Amino acid sequence: AQSVTQLDSHVSVSEGTPVLLRCNYSSSYSPSLFWYVQHPNKGLQLLLKYTSAATLVKGINGFEAEFKKSETSFHLTKPSAHMSDAAEYFCVVSVNDMRFGAGTRLTVKP
Amino acid sequence: EAGVAQSPRYKIIEKRQSVAFWCNPISGHATLYWYQQILGQGPKLLIQFQNNGVVDDSQLPKDRFSAERLKGVDSTLKIQPAKLEDSAVYLCASSLTSAGRGETQYFGPGTRLLVL
Repeated sequence: AQSVTQLDSHVSVSEGTPVLLRCNYSSSYSPSLFWYVQHPNKGLQLLLKYTSAATLVKGINGFEAEFKKSETSFHLTKPSAHMSDAAEYFCVVSVNDMRFGAGTRLTVKP
Repeated sequence: EAGVAQSPRYKIIEKRQSVAFWCNPISGHATLYWYQQILGQGPKLLIQFQNNGVVDDSQLPKDRFSAERLKGVDSTLKIQPAKLEDSAVYLCASSLTSAGRGETQYFGPGTRLLVL
């Protein structure tokens, strides 16, 4: 069985400062990992995914995530937050199906 | 390329009424999924279709929920009768092939259901 834990339900940053959204996973097999973003009243959009290739994955809008097997983590980062990054972010683990975390709400202050 | 289409976008019903949601996946995508997203939680898979066959419906409350994908393209999800706890966003997603490891799912905008 697989599961994912997003360690923060809410993260608040100032515009122009770094973003860190934390995700730990549990899986009996080597998983694929995803980050999706959900803006209000919009569908889920794929930011990036890891599928056993390079451990540092670059996504859209300047986001990246690093797969660390020893720490069972897949944290999402961005060097400089923009107001448009304010949204709900979901970490997802996939072996046979996709299991979503509870989400992290990112607030960006001007 | 057109995305996943869903309708209606919003629905308000009273408990014990029935409701149906429609989804049209991305053209050529063999696999279709229905998720339930309760406020403050991540999406939870209800049912997965591969073409017109059910692959996984283990988390579908079959006493009140049903879904079909008769021609292997669009799909409907029905709730009958609805309960208060069914208030949620119902998301439809599709992927090119089966939901194996690494397969990207593309999501529609969702249908927001409120049961009074």
